[in-house]
Amino acid sequence: KQEVTQIPAALSVPEGENLVLNCSFTDSAIYNLQWFRQDPGKGLTSLLLIQSSQREQTSGRLNASLDKSSGRSTLYIAASQPGDSATYLCAVRGSSNTGKLIFGQGTTLQVKP
Amino acid sequence: NAGVTQTPKFRVLKTGQSMTLLCAQDMNHEYMYWYRQDPGMGLRLIHYSVGEGTTAKGEVPDGYNVSRLKKQNFLLGLESAAPSQTSVYFCASVTGTRGREQYFGPGTRLTVT
Repeated sequence: KQEVTQIPAALSVPEGENLVLNCSFTDSAIYNLQWFRQDPGKGLTSLLLIQSSQREQTSGRLNASLDKSSGRSTLYIAASQPGDSATYLCAVRGSSNTGKLIFGQGTTLQVKP
Repeated sequence: NAGVTQTPKFRVLKTGQSMTLLCAQDMNHEYMYWYRQDPGMGLRLIHYSVGEGTTAKGEVPDGYNVSRLKKQNFLLGLESAAPSQTSVYFCASVTGTRGREQYFGPGTRLTVT
């Protein structure tokens, strides 16, 4: 059974710092991995999608990497801003043809001015 | 193009009452999902559908029923609500083509007293 773990559960950093969020998964037979952002009381916003054949994806100050063989992904945020404060979720899509996502429990990030 | 919409946004039910949550998507996606999000538990899959007229159980299906009579709509029903069903419910959809990202609705916050 696929399990997804995100460490740390919470992170507080000063503005301007570069930071890394971690996601690990137990079954390397994934189709893709998706990083989401969730603001308090809101829905999920997709940030980056990495296919199993890719090593990384970039969008602005965000860079996500994937090492499928070791079951790990990282989300790198450069030059963090207070507006980056949110919960970040990673989710893996398995190789079955159902498209189901298995989510980690998230990392809550606070960026202090 | 509204994406994924959910109705209602908030609801309070008494134990034993019934209700239906509606999810609609205008992206012609084949696959649709219902998740629930609880503190400390992350998002868990309740039911899903890989096409019009088909549904399947997810990780936590007990106490819920679903229907997909039209491709664009996915309904989640609670026949006899229980306090354990107090949660935030998210609907999501994705194209059947592999490798695409899932899109989420804004959520329905349900409280059962």
